[in-house]
Amino acid sequence: AQSVTQLGSHVSVSEGALVLLRCNYSSSVPPYLFWYVQYPNQGLQLLLKYTSAATLVKGINGFEAEFKKSETSFHLTKPSAHMSDAAEYFCAVTTGSGSARQLTFGSGTQLTVLP
Amino acid sequence: EPEVTQTPSHQVTQMGQEVILRCVPISNHLYFYWYRQILGQKVEFLVSFYNNEISEKSEIFDDQFSVERPDGSNFTLKIRSTKLEDSAMYFCASSIATGRGETQYFGPGTRLLVL
Repeated sequence: AQSVTQLGSHVSVSEGALVLLRCNYSSSVPPYLFWYVQYPNQGLQLLLKYTSAATLVKGINGFEAEFKKSETSFHLTKPSAHMSDAAEYFCAVTTGSGSARQLTFGSGTQLTVLP
Repeated sequence: EPEVTQTPSHQVTQMGQEVILRCVPISNHLYFYWYRQILGQKVEFLVSFYNNEISEKSEIFDDQFSVERPDGSNFTLKIRSTKLEDSAMYFCASSIATGRGETQYFGPGTRLLVL
């Protein structure tokens, strides 16, 4: 069975500092991995996804993530945090075998950006 | 840009009452999903739906739950007799196709409170 684990339920960074949100996966098959962001009182928005085409994936709002098979990781980074990045971030992996795949989510990481 | 919409945004109900949560997926999407997030917990998959039938469902999706696509645009989740533990944020999602790398687009959610 596939699953993801997010290390750190809360991360605080200063504005302009590097953002690093950790996600490790467990999968018996090559995983398809996603990062979603949830701003207050909004739904989940896709930041980026890994579908085996390239190990370094660039997403929206300056975020990127690198798939590292040897470390079973898919950490999310952004070189310079902005106040508007404050949100909850979810790592997810596609699971299921039916005709419509489901997403299995990590527990989320709340990012706080300090002025 | 097309988006998934959900109504109502908030619903308060008494234990034992029936509730219907409504979703309008993106118009050319064929696959539909419901997820829920109990406060402070992970986003959990409930059910996926394709071609007017359930594709997959989780253990959470018991006989109290049902889904329907009553017309060409709406996708509904019905909880027949609500319990306190059904209090959660319910997210609808849709995707244009299936496949492990396919993006699911989420609505803003309905916050359900069962008293």
